Amino acid sequence: AQSVSQHNHHVILSEAASLELGCNYSYGGTVNLFWYVQYPGQHLQLLLKYFSGDPLVKGIKGFEAEFIKSKFSFNLRKPSVQWSDTAEYFCAVKRGDYKLSFGAGTTVTVRA
Amino acid sequence: GAVVSQHPSRVICKSGTSVKIECRSLDFQATTMFWYRQFPKQSLMLMATSNEGSKATYEQGVEKDKFLINHASLTLSTLTVTSAHPEDSSFYICSAGDGAALLNTEAFFGQGTRLTVV
Repeated sequence: AQSVSQHNHHVILSEAASLELGCNYSYGGTVNLFWYVQYPGQHLQLLLKYFSGDPLVKGIKGFEAEFIKSKFSFNLRKPSVQWSDTAEYFCAVKRGDYKLSFGAGTTVTVRA
Repeated sequence: GAVVSQHPSRVICKSGTSVKIECRSLDFQATTMFWYRQFPKQSLMLMATSNEGSKATYEQGVEKDKFLINHASLTLSTLTVTSAHPEDSSFYICSAGDGAALLNTEAFFGQGTRLTVV
């Protein structure tokens, strides 16, 4: 079955540490790739997206992600996290049938 | 980005009653809206795709008679949970975009509705 896998369920790190969240998908056709963030009590917000072109995508709040087609991966990174980055992060893949499939989410806790 | 408003944000109902959740696109027209369900510590699961002026398309395993979807206008879709039971308690989220049903576009999400059935 087609799926989106996020490698970590819960990540705990200190401020200024670097963050990398893994995401792999199993769909073989053309895809759009997204990372969403959900702060406590708030909407899902788009962090960044990949449609085509440069596989290194820069998003808001200092986040970036790299699409590696051969590995079916779209990992999210931030060089130096802040306490305000504490949130739930979701990787999502839009497939050729236009449906969005989400990963299970990764809870990121940043300690001051 | 575009704004999608979902109402109510939280609802508690008695078992056996029905609950209606509204999803509105505030500053754009949405021919397609999507309804998701999110269980604690789990991913968002697509329940159905709501198309303006036509019947919704349900994902496998989702009971269409249980979760009634109406998309009567380009700015409003509703999800009605009929004869609710405690196992229907969950977080329901809608999304929409002016081209959400196309590739190379993004969807925008409502704030979600926490349904608790007692």
